[in-house]
Amino acid sequence: TQLLEQSPQFLSIQEGENLTVYCNSSSVFSSLQWYRQEPGEGPVLLVTVVTGGEVKKLKRLTFQFGDARKDSSLHITAAQPGDTGLYLCAGPMNTGGFKTIFGAGTRLFVKA
Amino acid sequence: DVKVTQSSRYLVKRTGEKVFLECVQDMDHENMFWYRQDPGLGLRLIYFSYDVKMKEKGDIPEGYSVSREKKERFSLILESASTNQTSMYLCASSLAGPYEQYFGPGTRLTVT
Repeated sequence: TQLLEQSPQFLSIQEGENLTVYCNSSSVFSSLQWYRQEPGEGPVLLVTVVTGGEVKKLKRLTFQFGDARKDSSLHITAAQPGDTGLYLCAGPMNTGGFKTIFGAGTRLFVKA
Repeated sequence: DVKVTQSSRYLVKRTGEKVFLECVQDMDHENMFWYRQDPGLGLRLIYFSYDVKMKEKGDIPEGYSVSREKKERFSLILESASTNQTSMYLCASSLAGPYEQYFGPGTRLTVT
């Protein structure tokens, strides 16, 4: 069974701190997506990583895809209260078709 | 920007009622999805559609049906609402397969 495990499940930090959250699997993914979901809203796509070892930056957010394409990380520099939300990683099932595997998410709370 | 809209943000229905949830996307995407999101269970796929009038069951289709008469519109129907269908319902669309999905704001449905 293809699974995406995210850690930590919950993270509460002070504004200005750095943090890293992880998305791990024992399966290879052709790509992984990261989403942020604010309370009461739908997930918003942040980035897609496709190539093993790829690093993408989105302002203070840095996304990395593992060399073997089995894991990914999201690093946030100088976190702000606006970064608060649920961070989900997701990837297509490797059997083809239209189904996506979603991780359970990391819930981040950044205190001012 | 892709826009996915859902007909209601909040709904309260009684057990046994027929419930319609509508989703509209404005980016000419082929694929549309319905998920439900529950604490501790994450995002679960109910149904998806890869073309007009085409639909496929997801992981938890029981108690639900869908309709896609036009490319931009995908409806989720609860034939006879039950309390265990109280949940956050999320619609999404994508241009290509299960990659890079764009979500609506969600409908929080309460069945009493």
